[in-house]
Amino acid sequence: DGGITQSPKYLFRKEGQNVTLSCEQNLNHDAMYWYRQDPGQGLRLIYYSQIVNDFQKGDIAEGYSVSREKKESFPLTVTSAQKNPTAFYLCASSRDYRTGELFFGEGSRLTVL
Amino acid sequence: DAKTTQPNSMESNEEEPVHLPCNHSTISGTDYIHWYRQLPSQGPEYVIHGLTSNVNNRMASLAIAEDRKSSTLILHRATLRDAAVYYCILRDQTDSWGKLQFGAGTQVVVTP
Repeated sequence: DGGITQSPKYLFRKEGQNVTLSCEQNLNHDAMYWYRQDPGQGLRLIYYSQIVNDFQKGDIAEGYSVSREKKESFPLTVTSAQKNPTAFYLCASSRDYRTGELFFGEGSRLTVL
Repeated sequence: DAKTTQPNSMESNEEEPVHLPCNHSTISGTDYIHWYRQLPSQGPEYVIHGLTSNVNNRMASLAIAEDRKSSTLILHRATLRDAAVYYCILRDQTDSWGKLQFGAGTQVVVTP
């Protein structure tokens, strides 16, 4: 079945450590996105990529980094510069940056101790 | 960007219809109305979308006001599995999904 796979589902890290969240899709979608969700809040866009080897900052990119070396993969690194990294992280994709609906993964919950 | 306004929460009894309102008074002529829902601890999923006419699919119906300043998502017979946060989003067909924001949505509570 086609879809988006995020891993790990749960992750615990010590303060000051970088952590990378994986996002893989087999939908042949060009566009991919990373969102952050805090308890009781909506989704906030961190980064998005419209095509391979290209990505754009979203509303809250500070303290995060991404790469898009392959169409299927869009990993997110939460760096030590992110002041409050504990959150639920969601990856999504769409056929391209303007058409098609958004398909989401099941999310990765990061807790920084 | 056009904004949407939704109630924070709504409660319904199981097997009864649920009508979720969304106000979008600044909607432009080329904005589509999209609905997504998010079950607990999961990513959002697509529910339905429309432009001017009412739309039906296996999950829900979307009723759009004639002036398009508001719309209503209708769940015909709520089940416990419909308990989720429902997001109403406007998107111009030329806009990137990267330009949009999901607000807090409406938390739907279904009571047995």
